[in-house]
Amino acid sequence: TQLLEQSPQFLSIQEGENLTVYCNSSSVFSSLQWYRQEPGEGPVLLVTVVTGGEVKKLKRLTFQFGDARKDSSLHITAAQPGDTGLYLCAGVKPSGTYKYIFGTGTRLKVLA
Amino acid sequence: GAVVSQHPSWVICKSGTSVKIECRSLDFQATTMFWYRQFPKQSLMLMATSNEGSKATYEQGVEKDKFLINHASLTLSTLTVTSAHPEDSSFYICSAARGRGSTDTQYFGPGTRLTVL
Repeated sequence: TQLLEQSPQFLSIQEGENLTVYCNSSSVFSSLQWYRQEPGEGPVLLVTVVTGGEVKKLKRLTFQFGDARKDSSLHITAAQPGDTGLYLCAGVKPSGTYKYIFGTGTRLKVLA
Repeated sequence: GAVVSQHPSWVICKSGTSVKIECRSLDFQATTMFWYRQFPKQSLMLMATSNEGSKATYEQGVEKDKFLINHASLTLSTLTVTSAHPEDSSFYICSAARGRGSTDTQYFGPGTRLTVL
C-alpha cells in the first residue's frame, strides 16, 4: 500500500523554469526525507524535515513540511539540466517503527 | 560522510542459481540495514529490515526462504536470492542507518542490478 502520493508523476520543463513537487498523505509522519535518484544509482539524500511547518533551503531547492506533518513540498527555482532525475519523498511513521515509506516518485526532466 | 557500497553492481545469472549481494557501510557502523527492490520506473519497495546479530524482519509478501538476509557485523549485510527466476530480475538497493530510532537517516548504496535469464 502506497501511503505517500507524489505529484506530478512526470514533469518535463525548460531550463530556467520553476517547479513544485508535492508529497501527500493522510498519515502523520515523525520525519520526512527527500531523495534524488539518477538512473542505475541509489537515492541520494537531499534533506530531512522533522518539525511541522519547517522550511529548509538547499541552494535553489526549498523544502517545506506541512504544519500537520502529513505532507511536504519541494520547490526548485530556475531549474537546470543537472536537476534531472527521480525525486522521492520518504516518511517515517511515529508508531515506533523506523522504516521508511517511500512516495510514488516524480520523474523530472529539465531541457537545455 | 556516510558511504554505503554494494557488490556486485550488476549480475547476470541463470534461472535456478543463487546470487549473493553484499552491502557495506564504509565509514560508520550500521546497527540497522534495509533491503529494497525497485522495478523500472517505479519507487522503492522495502523487502526487509535487518539488525546486527538478529534475524531479519520481512515485509508482507516477501518470502524469507527465497531472500536470505544475514547481518553478521555492524558494517556488512548480505542478501542471497535463492533459486532465482526471471521474475526476480530487479534493481536491489540496500540502505544503512546508525541507530534504530525514527530520526536515524538511511544512507543508500548504489544498487545492484540482477538479471535472471
